[in-house]
Amino acid sequence: SAVISQKPSRDICQRGTSLTIQCQVDSQVTMMFWYRQQPGQSLTLIATANQGSEATYESGFVIDKFPISRPNLTFSTLTVSNMSPEDSSIYLCSVGDRALTEAFFGQGTRLTVV
Amino acid sequence: GQQVMQIPQYQHVQEGEDFTTYCNSSTTLSNIQWYKQRPGGHPVFLIQLVKSGEVKKQKRLTFQFGEAKKNSSLHITATQTTDVGTYFCAGRGDYKLSFGAGTTVTVRA
Repeated sequence: SAVISQKPSRDICQRGTSLTIQCQVDSQVTMMFWYRQQPGQSLTLIATANQGSEATYESGFVIDKFPISRPNLTFSTLTVSNMSPEDSSIYLCSVGDRALTEAFFGQGTRLTVV
Repeated sequence: GQQVMQIPQYQHVQEGEDFTTYCNSSTTLSNIQWYKQRPGGHPVFLIQLVKSGEVKKQKRLTFQFGEAKKNSSLHITATQTTDVGTYFCAGRGDYKLSFGAGTTVTVRA
């Protein structure tokens, strides 16, 4: 199994500012992912965080808006840049690995942009 | 990527009744996973189905994977208030998950 610590758990931010979300895993994992979940909606994959290289972004998401770092196999950050109210959402970190059948999720970061 | 459709979006159930949520994919799935998200919580893994026609049970929950591996269902019998939450199916490929829209379950006592 994997235990994920994600922070902050929630934040209220002014439009035009940026927020960095951190995700720490208690073991080394191959894959780390960042999802967005808008209120009452499903989870949408933003990107796969690759250790030692640039993240792989899904359609509709770009690095300038959502820069991601992954300096090692246990840690990743997602930054939401130049925020607008439309960025208000829950952001979830997730991990996967060949040794794991299931995906594990962090507790999520509830972001409100005002 | 894989696209998974899920219905119904909402399910209002009388306590003690049964219900079923369905997932469908236009492409063959290598496997399908089910997750439950309680209100205010994060998704938690329930089960993975891999084989064509596979049926797995967890107490009052029965999971099925279609023969063509394009659809799946979750059936809950004798619904309890603890079943409240959103149930997601997800197709898994290269460790990435493509989530269905989810079925949000509310229970009337």
